Amino acid sequence: EDQVTQSPEALRLQEGESSSLNCSYTVSGLRGLFWYRQDPGKGPEFLFTLYSAGEEKEKERLKATLTKKESFLHITAPKPEDSATYLCAVQAPEIQGAQKLVFGQGTRLTINP
Amino acid sequence: DADVTQTPRNRITKTGKRIMLECSQTKGHDRMYWYRQDPGLGLRLIYYSFDVKDINKGEISDGYSVSRQAQAKFSLSLESAIPNQTALYFCATSVAGNQPQHFGDGTRLSIL
Repeated sequence: EDQVTQSPEALRLQEGESSSLNCSYTVSGLRGLFWYRQDPGKGPEFLFTLYSAGEEKEKERLKATLTKKESFLHITAPKPEDSATYLCAVQAPEIQGAQKLVFGQGTRLTINP
Repeated sequence: DADVTQTPRNRITKTGKRIMLECSQTKGHDRMYWYRQDPGLGLRLIYYSFDVKDINKGEISDGYSVSRQAQAKFSLSLESAIPNQTALYFCATSVAGNQPQHFGDGTRLSIL
């Protein structure tokens, strides 16, 4: 069964204190791993797609990396506006054309000024 | 303007009522999806559609139905709402293949 586990469930940091969020997955043939950011009262906002082990993507203070079993979202010198819930999702091979995403439960990140 | 628009944003209703949630998109994507989000459970797929003639059940379709009225419109119905359908509901769109899905801002549904 395809599964995604994110850790920690919640993380509180001081402004400027770098850290990493973890996304561990088991899937039969990864077609893509997606990171989203979700603010309260909003839908998930797409951040990154990673397709193969060793791949890295960066955007401002965020950097996503991928291995065969897990992905990390590294946050460097975060600011209060980086506070949000970060979701990880994996895509298994399409079945009858279906793009099935399996989501983790998310990590709620709080950056204190 | 939002690319994926959901209406209503909030709805409170009673057990047994019929409810329709609507989603429209301006992204020109063929694929549309309905998810529900519950605390501690993440996002789970209810239904998805490849085009107006192709609708498929997701992992939690019982108690729900959908209608794809046009390429840009995809509605979710609860024929007879029950309290455990209280949740956040999200619509998403995508192109084919392993491209990201894009989400609306959701409908917060409470069933009393």
